[in-house]
Amino acid sequence: AQSVTQLDSQVPVFEEAPVELRCNYSSSVSVYLFWYVQYPNQGLQLLLKYLSGSTLVKGINGFEAEFNKSQTSFHLRKPSVHISDTAEYFCAVSPPGKLIFGQGTTLQVKP
Amino acid sequence: DTAVSQTPKYLVTQMGNDKSIKCEQNLGHDTMYWYKQDSKKFLKIMFSYNNKELIINETVPNRFSPKSPDKAHLNLHINSLELGDSAVYFCASSQEPTGLAGVNEQFFGPGTRLTVL
Repeated sequence: AQSVTQLDSQVPVFEEAPVELRCNYSSSVSVYLFWYVQYPNQGLQLLLKYLSGSTLVKGINGFEAEFNKSQTSFHLRKPSVHISDTAEYFCAVSPPGKLIFGQGTTLQVKP
Repeated sequence: DTAVSQTPKYLVTQMGNDKSIKCEQNLGHDTMYWYKQDSKKFLKIMFSYNNKELIINETVPNRFSPKSPDKAHLNLHINSLELGDSAVYFCASSQEPTGLAGVNEQFFGPGTRLTVL
């Protein structure tokens, strides 16, 4: 069975500071990994995805994530956050036919 | 143009009632999904349809009945609503089932917030 653990439920950070949102996954087979963002009262939007190849994946809005197979992690990073990045972030893994999500991390960007 | 749309956006109803949520996608995708997001924002797959055929049913109570009249639509009918059904329900679609023969990322609708009183 596959699972995803997001290690921080809330991450407060000041504007223009760097941020890392942590995600660990568990799987006995190769998987696809995703980060989605949910802005208040909206649906989910894909930030980035990992298929294979380069372990550093760049996404939209200046976000990037690094796949680490030995640590089974897929942490999301941004070098300088903006107020508009305040949202819920979900890490997900895909067994065939569906997405399994982590519990979500609330990123709170303060002025 | 909205890629994945859901109606209604908000739904408030009494316990015991029957209600439906509609989902439409104009992306030409073959696969559609229903997810439930609870009050703690935890997202869980409920159903998945591929080419109008049910491929995933995640042990959802049989009060929930999805119906796919065509590949562009996946509706969710809920009988005898209970307090615990209160949640945000998200519809999503992908070209083919995610993770099966390719990544096939999912595109999500805006959600339907269901409140059962």
